[in-house]
Amino acid sequence: SYELSQAPSVSVSPGQTASITCSGDKLGDKDVCWYQQKPGQSPVLVIYKDTKRPSGIPERFSGSNSGNKATLTITGTQTMDEADYYCQAWDSATAIFGGGTKLTVL
Amino acid sequence: QLQLQESGPGLVKPSETLSLTCSVSGGSISSSGYYWGWIRQPPGKGLEWIGCVYYSWDYYGETIYYNPSLKSRVTMPVDTSKNQFSLKLSSLTAADTAVYYCARGFGSPAYFDYWGQGSLVTVSS
Repeated sequence: SYELSQAPSVSVSPGQTASITCSGDKLGDKDVCWYQQKPGQSPVLVIYKDTKRPSGIPERFSGSNSGNKATLTITGTQTMDEADYYCQAWDSATAIFGGGTKLTVL
Repeated sequence: QLQLQESGPGLVKPSETLSLTCSVSGGSISSSGYYWGWIRQPPGKGLEWIGCVYYSWDYYGETIYYNPSLKSRVTMPVDTSKNQFSLKLSSLTAADTAVYYCARGFGSPAYFDYWGQGSLVTVSS
């Protein structure tokens, strides 16, 4: 079965750029989306179709996807961006989530 | 603004069947082109997709998609008259303890753009 891999944790200083990656076989051939989840809250879609931002998501969130890796980039990271981030794609009519990356802003 | 709200028991016994309902307001679940799905999250762990019901533009009816690992234990009935969809998960074990979210999917392939607040279900005797 298809798998998406994410690093368990990433740390970044406020104002710096955070990069969160998601790896999978030929992932660049699929559409990837990203969700942000803060403690005790439901996930929020922050990127869909690799690069698109839903209405209301700040411009500092961007995405890319090529080869075997998709990347969520947060430019000028703020303390409010501290959260878990999950990538998601579809394979064989099955939605697959990555294991999640905990972003720490300190 | 679309809103989804899960409801159901917080505690279920092992081997029993879990029944959860998602009530949708601000939009119709029978509108074509949307997925209505369930995702769960065990305490302290990541997200796991359970399945979706999809209404198509080009024919009247629904298509159901399941996580292969759960397919034998899952049904997802829909009640369009009440604008609700449900999850039934049978033969429960402690491993099914999780927060269960209902969500709307949109696009092709779908992304989940609206989520319920989640319902914690504990499987314990």
